[in-house]
Amino acid sequence: KAGVTQTPRYLIKTRGQQVTLSCSPISGHRSVSWYQQTPGQGLQFLFEYFSETQRNKGNFPGRFSGRQFSNSRSEMNVSTLELGDSALYLCASSPGGGETYTEAFFGQGTRLTVV
Amino acid sequence: GNSVTQMEGPVTLSEEAFLTINCTYTATGYPSLFWYVQYPGEGLQLLLKATKADDKGSNKGFEATYRKETTSFHLEKGSVQVSDSAVYFCALSDTGGFKTIFGAGTRLFVKA
Repeated sequence: KAGVTQTPRYLIKTRGQQVTLSCSPISGHRSVSWYQQTPGQGLQFLFEYFSETQRNKGNFPGRFSGRQFSNSRSEMNVSTLELGDSALYLCASSPGGGETYTEAFFGQGTRLTVV
Repeated sequence: GNSVTQMEGPVTLSEEAFLTINCTYTATGYPSLFWYVQYPGEGLQLLLKATKADDKGSNKGFEATYRKETTSFHLEKGSVQVSDSAVYFCALSDTGGFKTIFGAGTRLFVKA
């Protein structure tokens, strides 16, 4: 069974630009969540989607948004990039459905560098 | 709110030494507990898990026991290898929040 796939692996963007990251979950998993990892803040939760609905959102500005498609693939978008957005963005999928949430399986991440 | 606290690193050990990384948690209800490992340049891999009190998770020689009375989930390995050098994250499932809550991570260096 294929794991969680994130594309691209690496990105370099300029301040003010926008970026879209993609995540394909493990087949059969309907929950997809996103995390930002930085040396200073550690792993911070961005948002979680299940059946195309955002069920929870972390404490990030509105420049960070996401969506999920009917095939459970997800994208996240960051607009008006700032230097502080440089981070490893991790996507995770979970087999949980409905009201349950179980362990998360992570992709290799997208390393975003804002210059 | 729910949170995870783990010992600060880095932890430096010689090969074949005994490893303990302490982890305590605060949570309402009965979360599942996890240890994840992150190798350089990689994402997070689930190392082991425990879903209820007194459960012991184990994998690749690593073990951790879910201790509800002490709200702890300490990671142990009897004999570490150089290949175990990585960052280890203790985590819990926030079922109501549909997310995983992570500790700050502990970097482990194992010297040959």
